[in-house]
Amino acid sequence: GAGVSQSPRYKVAKRGQDVALRCDPISGHVSLFWYQQALGQGPEFLTYFQNEAQLDKSGLPSDRFFAERPEGSVSTLKIQRTQQEDSAVYLCASSPEDSNQPQHFGDGTRLSIL
Amino acid sequence: QQQVKQSPQSLIVQKGGISIINCAYENTAFDYFPWYQQFPGKGPALLIAIRPDVSEKKEGRFTISFNKSAKQFSLHIMDSQPGDSATYFCAASISGNQFYFGTGTSLTVIP
Repeated sequence: GAGVSQSPRYKVAKRGQDVALRCDPISGHVSLFWYQQALGQGPEFLTYFQNEAQLDKSGLPSDRFFAERPEGSVSTLKIQRTQQEDSAVYLCASSPEDSNQPQHFGDGTRLSIL
Repeated sequence: QQQVKQSPQSLIVQKGGISIINCAYENTAFDYFPWYQQFPGKGPALLIAIRPDVSEKKEGRFTISFNKSAKQFSLHIMDSQPGDSATYFCAASISGNQFYFGTGTSLTVIP
């Protein structure tokens, strides 16, 4: 498809397990963003890539969260030793370049930690 | 600390009416202000955006009004339709590197 694709759409994990969430941005998009959206809240910034370079990771809530984009296209958000407070929808967005180009969002991965 | 404050939290409008959602910010370094529409189970979709060098931008039934001195901006949806029922988010960014979102407004348009 032409849009941002995220997988899986739903993920259930037990507390303490590691999870990996995948984002396929729109082809050719330089910038890639990860957000966390709690129920009834707006998306909160986690991290930002320009090509393969992670330029800002100030929003990652703890060192259990790790993101990578090794070839400048697909990105993975990994959460280690998951906690119940990690339950949220994780959104990925991409844009052609920085400088305020419109962000195109995927439909997110809904993560539930039991 | 919430960088962008959004109100109201929820809004009910009759079909054909005007829906108005307001946002306020503090950081004068923000230079891009988009509005997003989100349906349940979907990601946010860009509706309309404005930069601080203009006071108003209109696209179809959607208008952004921007007041730089008051550090406020608002979304107006004219001739609101039931299909407009969704959650709306304002956002602000500095050079597109990090976006700060409001807490969202749940809009219901009743026929």
